Amino acid sequence: GQNIDQPTEMTATEGAIVQINCTYQTSGFNGLFWYQQHAGEAPTFLSYNVLDGLEEKGRFSSFLSRSKGYSYLLLKELQMKDSASYLCAVRDSNYQLIWGAGTKLIIKP
Amino acid sequence: IAGITQAPTSQILAAGRRMTLRCTQDMRHNAMYWYRQDLGLGLRLIHYSNTAGTTGKGEVPDGYSVSRANTDDFPLTLASAVPSQTSVYFCASSAIGEGSNEQFFGPGTRLTVL
Repeated sequence: GQNIDQPTEMTATEGAIVQINCTYQTSGFNGLFWYQQHAGEAPTFLSYNVLDGLEEKGRFSSFLSRSKGYSYLLLKELQMKDSASYLCAVRDSNYQLIWGAGTKLIIKP
Repeated sequence: IAGITQAPTSQILAAGRRMTLRCTQDMRHNAMYWYRQDLGLGLRLIHYSNTAGTTGKGEVPDGYSVSRANTDDFPLTLASAVPSQTSVYFCASSAIGEGSNEQFFGPGTRLTVL
């Protein structure tokens, strides 16, 4: 079966750095996505990785290792507004997204 | 309209009733999707459409139907609602072709079936 695993919840301090991990087993791979979802709102796109390596976009970076079925999202200089759920999704061989359950990130002052 | 809209925002429905959730996008995306999101579970695909006139079944299609008469609209119908269909429903759209083709989401419809 297809499976995306990520931690249920993480806590970090304002101004610090946090890494959210995602491991996946899917039928085929056509890219990995990270989305941010604030409580009661829709998911919004953060990043896309299709090749191995690190993609940096401001305070957020995303890393992919296809051979290990592994990705992480790195958030630097955490702000209170970063409190949200972070969703990992893999596009499979049918070009459909398989979603993880999300990681709820709690930022403390 | 800017992006993707859904209606209604929320709805309480008696079991056995028929309900249509509406979704409209103005980005001229070929592909559209319906997901449900339940606590502790990832987004689950109900139905999708890669282009106007075609639809496909996702992971959890039972009890739901869709149509795609044109590029912009993708309504989801619950023929006879059951309490297990209580959920938050998100419509999304994306381009198709080279590149990331990330999905853009509507604001969601919170549905309660009693």
